[in-house]
Amino acid sequence: QVQLQESGPGLVKPSETLSLTCTVSGGSISSYYWSWIRQPPGKGLEWIGYIYYSGSTNYNPSLKSRVTISLDTSKNQFSLQLTSVTAADTAVYYCATMGVSTSYFDYWGRGTLVTVSS
Amino acid sequence: SYEVTQSFSVSVALGQTARITCGGKNIGRKNVHWYQQKPGQAPVLVIYRDINRPSGIPERISGSNSGNTATLTISRAQAGDEADYYCQVWDSSTGVFGGGTKLTVL
Repeated sequence: QVQLQESGPGLVKPSETLSLTCTVSGGSISSYYWSWIRQPPGKGLEWIGYIYYSGSTNYNPSLKSRVTISLDTSKNQFSLQLTSVTAADTAVYYCATMGVSTSYFDYWGRGTLVTVSS
Repeated sequence: SYEVTQSFSVSVALGQTARITCGGKNIGRKNVHWYQQKPGQAPVLVIYRDINRPSGIPERISGSNSGNTATLTISRAQAGDEADYYCQVWDSSTGVFGGGTKLTVL
């Protein structure tokens, strides 16, 4: 069974870059779509984007200008970078998997809270 | 962009049936997935592609999708069903979640 674990700084200053990593265990990263999803405190879920194992990416249009998702197959990890953050980017960030032909998120990490504050 | 709407909250008496809806233009033509999220936990997939249950999800949780509304039905509601529920679709290669419905079991 695939397990996911997010890691990264819990506090980021405004205007700086948020960087998170998701480590995959129990399965190969050389398959599936690998996604990031976030949830502001007390609010709903927002899909950020995904990377396919081939390296192709797809981002939410509302965040596209600030988001980069990358893959490191040698470490079984994928990463999120979100630039020019503001307080509105404060959220729990989840990594999740989606099968090649499934379109749903079947495995999720526990999530990590990132606060944007000076 | 495609919009998906959910009621903010639904209440159900213990042992009764709860229905949580997800509205969107011609949503019946899309695959709808449902997630359950309890406080402090990550979402869990409970229904995929409108009507299918992942292993470990009880049969009393079911889904349907037609026209402009998808519905998650929870029969014989239990205290453990109290959670937030989110529907999710894809539109033009963009993932879209509904705003979530808080289910309260009375």
